Amino acid sequence: QPVLTQPPSASASLGASVTLTCTLSSGYSNYKVDWYQQRPGKGPRFVMRVGTGGIVGSKGDGIPDRFSVLGSGLNRYLTIKNIQEEDESDYHCGADHGSGSNFPHVVFGGGTKLTVL
Amino acid sequence: EVQLVESGGGLVQPGGSLRLSCAASGFTVSSNYMSWVRQAPGKGLEWVSVIYSGGSTYYADSVKGRFTISRDNSKNTLYLQMNSLRAEDTAVYYCARRCGGDCPFDYWGQGTLVTVSS
Repeated sequence: QPVLTQPPSASASLGASVTLTCTLSSGYSNYKVDWYQQRPGKGPRFVMRVGTGGIVGSKGDGIPDRFSVLGSGLNRYLTIKNIQEEDESDYHCGADHGSGSNFPHVVFGGGTKLTVL
Repeated sequence: EVQLVESGGGLVQPGGSLRLSCAASGFTVSSNYMSWVRQAPGKGLEWVSVIYSGGSTYYADSVKGRFTISRDNSKNTLYLQMNSLRAEDTAVYYCARRCGGDCPFDYWGQGTLVTVSS
């Protein structure tokens, strides 16, 4: 099954931009990845899905245009422009592995804690 | 408005049992794929189990044989029966919805904390 690797932390100044990375393990370059935002003390919130061609489907409810994604090789990127205080969150990436009756499950990365300076 | 509200968490001794509930509103549980995902303190997310709209169920290896996912269509509620609990099961448990196999988890609950300790 794939392993998803995320840096444990990132930081950016108010109004700046930041790019978060989720790296798939070798052999899984065709996998789509879902990004989730988790504010302190809250449940996760779907941001958007990304493949090698960029966004797949629609953004999650209420996700502002400041959020965008890109995919390249084994990397799946989430970029946040004009960072606001409310963007300070943990960001998780997840990918499906298996389907139907073939042991379907979801693999998550370790999450990146974004601090807004 | 879609809402998921978990309940049933608490402190339980190792080897004990607990049943979590997830009351849904704004959509029909039985028409969607419903999952439980947990998060140990200070850790990332871990998928636990899924029940398909057709009723098939699947589990992570870490809980297989100990946990059972189910739903009550009349109450529009998802459950997770947890038996033979271990310290490593300590986590916040979230229920989450996806429309089908190729959909993301588009709605999540606020979570319920399960602590396994003597």
